[in-house]
Amino acid sequence: QSALTQPRSVSGSPGQSVTISCTGTSSDVGGYNYVSWYQQHPGKAPKLMIYDVSKRPSGVPDRFSGSKSGNTASLTISGLQAEDEADYYCCSYAGSYTFEVFGGGTKLTVL
Amino acid sequence: EVQLVQSGAEVKKPGESLKISCKGSGYSFTSYWIGWVRQMPGKGLEWMGIIYPGDSDTRYSPSFQGQVTISADKSISTAYLQWSSLKASDTAMYYCVRGQLWFDTHHFDYWGQGTLVTVSS
Repeated sequence: QSALTQPRSVSGSPGQSVTISCTGTSSDVGGYNYVSWYQQHPGKAPKLMIYDVSKRPSGVPDRFSGSKSGNTASLTISGLQAEDEADYYCCSYAGSYTFEVFGGGTKLTVL
Repeated sequence: EVQLVQSGAEVKKPGESLKISCKGSGYSFTSYWIGWVRQMPGKGLEWMGIIYPGDSDTRYSPSFQGQVTISADKSISTAYLQWSSLKASDTAMYYCVRGQLWFDTHHFDYWGQGTLVTVSS
């Protein structure tokens, strides 16, 4: 099972909005509403930011939002802050054989 | 407070065996899935497999099936990831994760701190 496709890097200035895409197939992203997003700062464990496409865990700022259209999911971060600079990974359920698959990761740089 | 505490860093030689652990606390260990995620140096996350400690139901990523074994001891709220014969390419950080994998949701809400495994002759 190939990893989901994410852009290698994105960037934005403080206060701006950025969107990170995550493209899969009808067997994973397009087939289930089970896309989640994880933030990882250097040397740290990943942290859940969005689950089930668009739900936010408690404690995650509402600047973070998720959506999906067809086989592509998206994470949007509005009002960029310096602490948002990190790697972001999408993950999708991919059926009972493969189970879960991650994206390759996107490095967000806050200019 | 939910916590997943992993065992410490390991340095092993190729061909050696290894078992790393992940102890859950602050929740009912048998009521949630526990999974393992690999991160090779400078690379992305890879899903390896998952176990439901309540009944030991275990699923593996096709990429890791036969390469590792996932198990759990519910009496001590601990999950394990083991190798019978390590390779240099197993060098990576390994994270355990708590899985919320039900009919209406699928995500990993808590992560361990990671266990760094280094395999070198």
